[in-house]
Amino acid sequence: GAVVSQHPSRVICKSGTSVKIECRSLDFQATTMFWYRQFPKKSLMLMATSNEGSKATYEQGVEKDKFLINHASLTLSTLTVTSAHPEDSSFYICSASGSLTYEQYFGPGTRLTVT
Amino acid sequence: DAKTTQPTSMDCAEGRAANLPCNHSTISGNEYVYWYRQIHSQGPQYIIHGLKNNETNEMASLIITEDRKSSTLILPHATLRDTAVYYCIGVTGNQFYFGTGTSLTVIP
Repeated sequence: GAVVSQHPSRVICKSGTSVKIECRSLDFQATTMFWYRQFPKKSLMLMATSNEGSKATYEQGVEKDKFLINHASLTLSTLTVTSAHPEDSSFYICSASGSLTYEQYFGPGTRLTVT
Repeated sequence: DAKTTQPTSMDCAEGRAANLPCNHSTISGNEYVYWYRQIHSQGPQYIIHGLKNNETNEMASLIITEDRKSSTLILPHATLRDTAVYYCIGVTGNQFYFGTGTSLTVIP
């Protein structure tokens, strides 16, 4: 199947700093990328949907100014958590989808810890 | 998207078939049923999907009832590596809204 990578896999940052997470589709062109967050023992929660070259569409309750998403190419999307706080600590997962199918291919996730 | 209901947890003996049910009684005619699984601290992995007909691939089989109100994912010969949380998702458009899933434990 298609491969999606995320970088970094783990990051620890201090409260008030910003953190950027990269999501790459390695062997296909991703017209749409998605960002999820997952708290311990909970399910994945969709944060936003981004189409290449367009502004991301955020789910209700997700602050677009706090979680900046850029999808500048068909193989790369970035999520920047701005002014991170301890409550932003979570597992962030991206996924990518091509143009011909609803199927999403997920990255391995990024564990963010804000101290 | 259809709200799906799955049992919270299930056990299965290694080597036996694991049958994971999912209720999606509000599913609409053009909604697909997708199954993913998530092993601890990893990203979800695609298993199978279907619309009306039963489907089979190298990982699993998907049985969808004729009225499409429920489905069953079948892992024919469960192994210890199949221990994971299994998610059944009703999908129209391209957005996935995950439910709570079923935590499957395969027992030696």
